[in-house]
Amino acid sequence: QQQVKQSPQSLIVQKGGISIINCAYENTAFDYFPWYQQFPGKGPALLIAIRPDVSEKKEGRFTISFNKSAKQFSLHIMDSQPGDSATYFCAASTLTGNQFYFGTGTSLTVIP
Amino acid sequence: GAGVSQSPSNKVTEKGKDVELRCDPISGHTALYWYRQSLGQGLEFLIYFQGNSAPDKSGLPSDRFSAERTGGSVSTLTIQRTQQEDSAVYLCASSLYWGSLNEQFFGPGTRLTVL
Repeated sequence: QQQVKQSPQSLIVQKGGISIINCAYENTAFDYFPWYQQFPGKGPALLIAIRPDVSEKKEGRFTISFNKSAKQFSLHIMDSQPGDSATYFCAASTLTGNQFYFGTGTSLTVIP
Repeated sequence: GAGVSQSPSNKVTEKGKDVELRCDPISGHTALYWYRQSLGQGLEFLIYFQGNSAPDKSGLPSDRFSAERTGGSVSTLTIQRTQQEDSAVYLCASSLYWGSLNEQFFGPGTRLTVL
């Protein structure tokens, strides 16, 4: 059973556009939500993370929006660049736990 | 300093053979994690180590899978009697301490192909 559901599976965006990736979860015990970025041939790398006590977190062009009541969170990439082309994974965990539950990934392609 | 390294980078084996995958974590990192990444399936958590101890092995897919960590450093993931469904990229990650808020640093993975 997929603990974290991610969509879309793939996304094509024009340079300068906004990329939006969505995730949903069921387990209300989750209280830590990181996003990972993975380039081909590389392992995932932490991009940005949020805890449910805030509704939004922004780091540069990357923003996480969090809706606790809907149990949904999303990644917004503003002014998308070709260098952002990668696979993005959302994940969820409990602060006291060690196990991350990952989404199935979104392959983002930013067209110049 | 060096990041997490994994070897081999690619492994092709025949069905029924045993394979060993190696992970060298970042020096000083006490926690180590193994994941499996299959096409379209995201990252599947397999097992974690706190020091040399693996408190929870329930994420291992079957009893053909085992893992150990020695000296609080290198870890090996062993798959016995490999099956075609074991084909995937196996990722290792380490963090300074265990716990979700400690950033996990991933290695490049080992791509396993079982023919």
